[in-house]
Amino acid sequence: IQMTQSPSSLSASIGDRVTITCRASQTISTYLNWYQQKPGKAPTLLIYVASALRSGVPSRFSGSGSGTEFTLSISSLQPEDFATYYCQQSYSTPYTFGQGTKLEIK
Amino acid sequence: EVQVVESGGGLAQPGRSLRLSCAASGFTFDDYDMHWVRQAPGKGLEWVSGISWNSGRISYADSVKGRFTISRDNAKNSLYLQMNGLRVEDTALYYCAKFPSWQQPVADASWGQGTLVTVSS
Repeated sequence: IQMTQSPSSLSASIGDRVTITCRASQTISTYLNWYQQKPGKAPTLLIYVASALRSGVPSRFSGSGSGTEFTLSISSLQPEDFATYYCQQSYSTPYTFGQGTKLEIK
Repeated sequence: EVQVVESGGGLAQPGRSLRLSCAASGFTFDDYDMHWVRQAPGKGLEWVSGISWNSGRISYADSVKGRFTISRDNAKNSLYLQMNGLRVEDTALYYCAKFPSWQQPVADASWGQGTLVTVSS
């Protein structure tokens, strides 16, 4: 299953709302994870089963979608949100990742 | 506190072998499927292999099938990755991880800090 994220990079300002899209090459129901990765650090899980917020993750993060199209939204960007974001399908092995979206400060 | 610590990385020549280890603590290791995920320098994430809690389900990415072998020892809370026939393109930071999946719909994930494998002559 191929996962395609868009955009590959995104410039935004503090307080902006941003949306990242992830498309699967075939249906994956809602078995979609979203991760945040900061430079030199391991990825951290933000969202699982497409829309469930992991405990401790700020509520400004939200996920939606099912089937083949999914989105990650951040409602009001904070300085600590500038990072790279990856989607991952967890429906069938190999558990493929999207290519990543680098979120930068404008 | 949940901890996942990888070890065993290093420099290897093409065609040689390395064995990665992952020591887990702070959670009931034998309740969870475990995975290896790698990240080449400056690149994205690539799932490498996964093993179910009881070793009954094992899967590999096509890029490593036939060369890498995943295993676990639940008595030692440890995960392993035997890497044979290493190639230059296997150069990456290798993470040990657990995460939600269709086979294991848990609500959490844990990743180690990774161990670096460099394949070069």
